[in-house]
Amino acid sequence: GESVGLHLPTLSVQEGDNSIINCAYSNSASDYFIWYKQESGKGPQFIIDIRSNMDKRQGQRVTVLLNKTVKHLSLQIAATQPGDSAVYFCGSGGETSGSRLTFGEGTQLTVNP
Amino acid sequence: KAGVTQTPRYLIKTRGQQVTLSCSPISGHRSVSWYQQTPGQGLQFLFEYFSETQRNKGNFPGRFSGRQFSNSRSEMNVSTLELGDSALYLCASSLVGDSRETQYFGPGTRLLVL
Repeated sequence: GESVGLHLPTLSVQEGDNSIINCAYSNSASDYFIWYKQESGKGPQFIIDIRSNMDKRQGQRVTVLLNKTVKHLSLQIAATQPGDSAVYFCGSGGETSGSRLTFGEGTQLTVNP
Repeated sequence: KAGVTQTPRYLIKTRGQQVTLSCSPISGHRSVSWYQQTPGQGLQFLFEYFSETQRNKGNFPGRFSGRQFSNSRSEMNVSTLELGDSALYLCASSLVGDSRETQYFGPGTRLLVL
């Protein structure tokens, strides 16, 4: 079945460094991908999304890269700040998914001051 | 514009009881999806409602049910609670429920079953 997974459950970086969080998906028909940030005790917060007709999309301090050949996407956070500490997870969807998104389990990002 | 709201935020129930959770979507959003989040399983899709109709359903037992009202507010119900139902229940809303549009999550309801 369809699955979405992250390569590392935890990631620890120094403040000011760039962070890269990876995600792999299994469904070749997926054509929409999304990243969420979830802080402790809160609901997931939308960060950025990308459609399969793009390879890269940039937001404020964040960039999502999509490699459809190897079914991999990544979230890059520039100049990571302590406030970026949270769980990040990716989701995927597509025409064959109907209304549902499939999510990975998440990577806990810890930013050390 | 107000975000997605969920009530209650916390619940403690005992095995065998039933529980109803409520979700109010962002104004103008007509689709509401429900997810169960646990440390071991991540975010698991429960079901999605659009225009008061369940359009999509995940792999959960029939004890989990839901409904949507004409104002797009949604409720989910879990009957005969089991210890394993302890989780964070999240709802997310979107305009029309296409899996290729952004879903916005509420803060969740944390359910503890004793």
